[in-house]
Amino acid sequence: GDSVTQTEGQVTVSESKSLIINCTYSATSIGYPNLFWYVRYPGEGLQLLLKVITAGQKGSSRGFEATYNKEATSFHLQKASVQESDSAVYYCALSDMSNYNVLYFGSGTKLTVEP
Amino acid sequence: NAGVIQTPRHKVTGKGQEATLWCEPISGHSAVFWYRQTIVQGLEFLTYFRNQAPIDDSGMPKERFSAQMPNQSHSTLKIQSTQPQDSAVYLCASSLADTLYFGAGTRLSVL
Repeated sequence: GDSVTQTEGQVTVSESKSLIINCTYSATSIGYPNLFWYVRYPGEGLQLLLKVITAGQKGSSRGFEATYNKEATSFHLQKASVQESDSAVYYCALSDMSNYNVLYFGSGTKLTVEP
Repeated sequence: NAGVIQTPRHKVTGKGQEATLWCEPISGHSAVFWYRQTIVQGLEFLTYFRNQAPIDDSGMPKERFSAQMPNQSHSTLKIQSTQPQDSAVYLCASSLADTLYFGAGTRLSVL
């Protein structure tokens, strides 16, 4: 079945430093899946951060970027300079052609930004 | 817009009891999803409805779990004869297109 892998369970970064959170995926259906990053800020519900539905394209939101790399089957999340307010749990997710409505999530990466 | 509303926020049941979780989707959204989140399994898809009709329940445990959507304003997830392994946060989400809007979740604790 479809799966999403996030290798880091927790990441700690100092404020103003750069960030990369790794995400790789495997989709069983023919064609390319839609890829998403969702985020849960402390005390809030899970919400969409960005999405990319076309291979090779880049999505961006709130200073974060992720590029859909179909050769490497990756969708890493990056930010050039993090802030304390970015501390949250980040989830990579995909939906595939067999059912674009259903999202399959990675295990999540908890980001802590230290002042 | 209050977002997706889930009640109760916390529920504690004894082993063998029944638990019913409620979800009120965002008005106008045509699809409602249920997910379960645990530390071990992460976020697991359970089931979803579109225009109140059940579409995909491939993630639902075959026994004891059932979901309904009797009208467009709410959905329920019922767990019969709850077991300790059912302890989790149950998330409801609604959508109009491909973006899911999640509720805050119901934390179910089975003692």
